[in-house]
Amino acid sequence: QSVLTQPPSGSGAPGQRVTISCTGSNSNIGAGSDVHWYYQLPGKAPKLLIFRNNIRPSGVPDRFSGSKSGTSASLAITGLQADDEADYYCQSYDSSLSGWVFGGGTKLTVL
Amino acid sequence: EVQLLESGGDLVQPGGSLRLSCVASGFTFSDVAMSWVRQAPGRGPEWVLSLSGNSVDTWYADSVRGRFTISRDNFKNTLYLQMHSLRAEDTATYFCAKMRGHPPSSYHMDAWGKGTTVTVSS
Repeated sequence: QSVLTQPPSGSGAPGQRVTISCTGSNSNIGAGSDVHWYYQLPGKAPKLLIFRNNIRPSGVPDRFSGSKSGTSASLAITGLQADDEADYYCQSYDSSLSGWVFGGGTKLTVL
Repeated sequence: EVQLLESGGDLVQPGGSLRLSCVASGFTFSDVAMSWVRQAPGRGPEWVLSLSGNSVDTWYADSVRGRFTISRDNFKNTLYLQMHSLRAEDTATYFCAKMRGHPPSSYHMDAWGKGTTVTVSS
């Protein structure tokens, strides 16, 4: 059971908009800890997609955006493309655990 | 370009020990905190340990406290993970990751190695 809860799967057709949620608690997201997002292709290392809730690293297209409110955060992907099919993970800091935690991941399928 | 290259993964018996290494390049290694993150087959990433650039601050996940130790050699640009009393549940790919942000609430992993596989089995 992950400290941050994500839906295990999501899907959308090419061109559509999809969102992935990340629900935490008052010891992590709700305590003001930033939320970061990673994507991972099979057999590869995770790669940073969004940091500090809504900032895209250089090279990440503006089709990807992040938001945070209360004890939850969301990743939105617009103009869905076939190569967006991957696993997506949120990450934050938990003050009760004194460590960094990941969500269980969402497997995104492009129909 | 930031590069992180892990090595040392192996098949080890329960109760055994293993040391992983991660050689870094493309940035000023001594300036940044580094972490080990593991991922068991079919599971999400799990943060394991982190170490500040000057080795003053260390953070441990409860699952490895007392068994795993993180260290670094800033002259060799190398991060280490010493693992003792290994258990089957430690079986995973271990990634070395570069940390960025203000500790601890803003810390994230902005670069990852390709990982090295540790299998604990008799």
